[in-house]
Amino acid sequence: DTAVSQTPKYLVTQMGNDKSIKCEQNLGHDTMYWYKQDSKKFLKIMFSYNNKELIINETVPNRFSPKSPDKAHLNLHINSLELGDSAVYFCASSAVGWEGSYGYTFGSGTRLTVV
Amino acid sequence: EDQVTQSPEALRLQEGESSSLNCSYTVSGLRGLFWYRQDPGKGPEFLFTLYSAGEEKEKERLKATLTKKESFLHITAPKPEDSATYLCAVQAYQAGTALIFGKGTTLSVSS
Repeated sequence: DTAVSQTPKYLVTQMGNDKSIKCEQNLGHDTMYWYKQDSKKFLKIMFSYNNKELIINETVPNRFSPKSPDKAHLNLHINSLELGDSAVYFCASSAVGWEGSYGYTFGSGTRLTVV
Repeated sequence: EDQVTQSPEALRLQEGESSSLNCSYTVSGLRGLFWYRQDPGKGPEFLFTLYSAGEEKEKERLKATLTKKESFLHITAPKPEDSATYLCAVQAYQAGTALIFGKGTTLSVSS
């Protein structure tokens, strides 16, 4: 009964390729997020999305794009991968107005390695 | 710019040796301050949310406190299983619902 699941867990790919990471939550939450954790373990917000609004961190290159087929899914597409994209990517979800009570629920991460 | 700074970066304790982790923040309007625990290879796990100065919350050997500029995570008589990275994050009114994280404190407790 995984609350937030991401696939794949590991992804190794060559520079220039296009790849996707999938995320699904079964908590009924209305907002989903993508975070990037760099080699120094720093977690940085990339996107937040609910069915009304997409908020993009201005530092995220436009090679990254979130796509949400429905409320329970938020996939991350990355075009023309670069070495600097290597990191761990976390999906998370929250219920608007309940973040304080229940926190944000994170997936277990996808380790992306670009070679 | 909203910012979260955690110190120390790393902390080594002996089992039973109490200590505190610091999280200082600069935010335009604080909706909530969150503490998370992250184990290697896993996603962050929610611990506490604090909303206003003077508030305290406890969970087992952990106690979180909040002032207008910083938060402390006190660890009383830690055990080796408390070893993890502890992350502090803020939710700001102007930043929507996303969390802004600090860089974390990696705690190692040896027996």
